Amino acid sequence: GQNIDQPTEMTATEGAIVQINCTYQTSGFNGLFWYQQHAGEAPTFLSYNVLDGLEEKGRFSSFLSRSKGYSYLLLKELQMKDSASYLCAVFDSNYQLIWGAGTKLIIKP
Amino acid sequence: IAGITQAPTSQILAAGRRMTLRCTQDMRHNAMYWYRQDLGLGLRLIHYSNTAGTTGKGEVPDGYSVSRANTDDFPLTLASAVPSQTSVYFCASSDSATGVTDTQYFGPGTRLTVL
Repeated sequence: GQNIDQPTEMTATEGAIVQINCTYQTSGFNGLFWYQQHAGEAPTFLSYNVLDGLEEKGRFSSFLSRSKGYSYLLLKELQMKDSASYLCAVFDSNYQLIWGAGTKLIIKP
Repeated sequence: IAGITQAPTSQILAAGRRMTLRCTQDMRHNAMYWYRQDLGLGLRLIHYSNTAGTTGKGEVPDGYSVSRANTDDFPLTLASAVPSQTSVYFCASSDSATGVTDTQYFGPGTRLTVL
């Protein structure tokens, strides 16, 4: 079966750095997405990786290793507004988007 | 530009009733999707449409139906609601159709409770 694993919850301190991991086992791979979802709101697009390596976008970076079935989202200089759930999703060989359950990130002052 | 709108925002429904959740996008995207989101689970695809006039079944299609008469609208119908359909429903769209990786954009969601 297809599976995407993320930690259920993480806690970090304002101003710090946090890394949210995602591992996947899917039938094929056509790219990996990270989305942010604030409580009670819609998911919003953060990043997309299809090749191995690091993609940097401001305070957020996303890394992919296809051989290891592994990605992480790195958030720097954490702000209170970064408190949200972070969803990892993979496009499989049929171009269906398979979603992880999400990681709830709690930022403490 | 509104993006994707969904209606209603929330609804409490008696079991056995019929309900249509509305979704409209103004981005002229080809593909549209309906997901449900339940606590502790990832988003699960109910139905999708790669282009106007075509629809397909996702991971959890039972009890739901969709239509895609035009590019902008993609309603989701529950013919006879059951309590297990209590969930938050998200409509999404993407510019590309089959066989292409493209970003999906989400509507604000409909919170449905079936009693």
